[in-house]
Amino acid sequence: NAGVTQTPKFRVLKTGQSMTLLCAQDMNHEYMYWYRQDPGMGLRLIHYSVGEGTTAKGEVPDGYNVSRLKKQNFLLGLESAAPSQTSVYFCASSWQGNSPLHFGNGTRLTVT
Amino acid sequence: RKEVEQDPGPFNVPEGATVAFNCTYSNSASQSFFWYRQDCRKEPKLLMSVYSSGNEDGRFTAQLNRASQYISLLIRDSKLSDSATYLCVPKGGAGSYQLTFGKGTKLSVIP
Repeated sequence: NAGVTQTPKFRVLKTGQSMTLLCAQDMNHEYMYWYRQDPGMGLRLIHYSVGEGTTAKGEVPDGYNVSRLKKQNFLLGLESAAPSQTSVYFCASSWQGNSPLHFGNGTRLTVT
Repeated sequence: RKEVEQDPGPFNVPEGATVAFNCTYSNSASQSFFWYRQDCRKEPKLLMSVYSSGNEDGRFTAQLNRASQYISLLIRDSKLSDSATYLCVPKGGAGSYQLTFGKGTKLSVIP
């Protein structure tokens, strides 16, 4: 049972490049989330999904897009990367809206 | 008032000591609460869930004070392995799917 798996683990992008971060969970969870974590800022919610085919904006959605075409996968896209998007990105999932989150190992992204 | 406020620390305590962290939250509709621990450069991991007045799990005790809108985490007999950042997470009220994380309190247990 892998839990929540994020790929890639590390990535370096040049300003303006695009990329997609993949999150996969095998726990049949309905809810999935993308957070970013910066020093001194704590975890901030980017986008989330309450079920297959649904997405919603979180606290810091600008510059990101998401898709939840399959229940087990939640993709985070950066269309035109900026240095301000240098961060550690965590995906998480939960069984219900008031259930605790299970996190992936994180993706460390650097935009130069 | 910020949604979640925690003393960032660091709390430096000797092995075997008892240490307590407080966390205040602004949303009075919050119904459930979680404490996570996060090791350096790792993902947060659930430590404890609090759905009523409190919860106890071994050396860890969480207490909820709804009137004053704070939750606390007490760690007894601190171990070196308890060194981590502890994140307080109140969940919003009914219909809310978002969990707002505090910035965390850093604990260092010293030999």
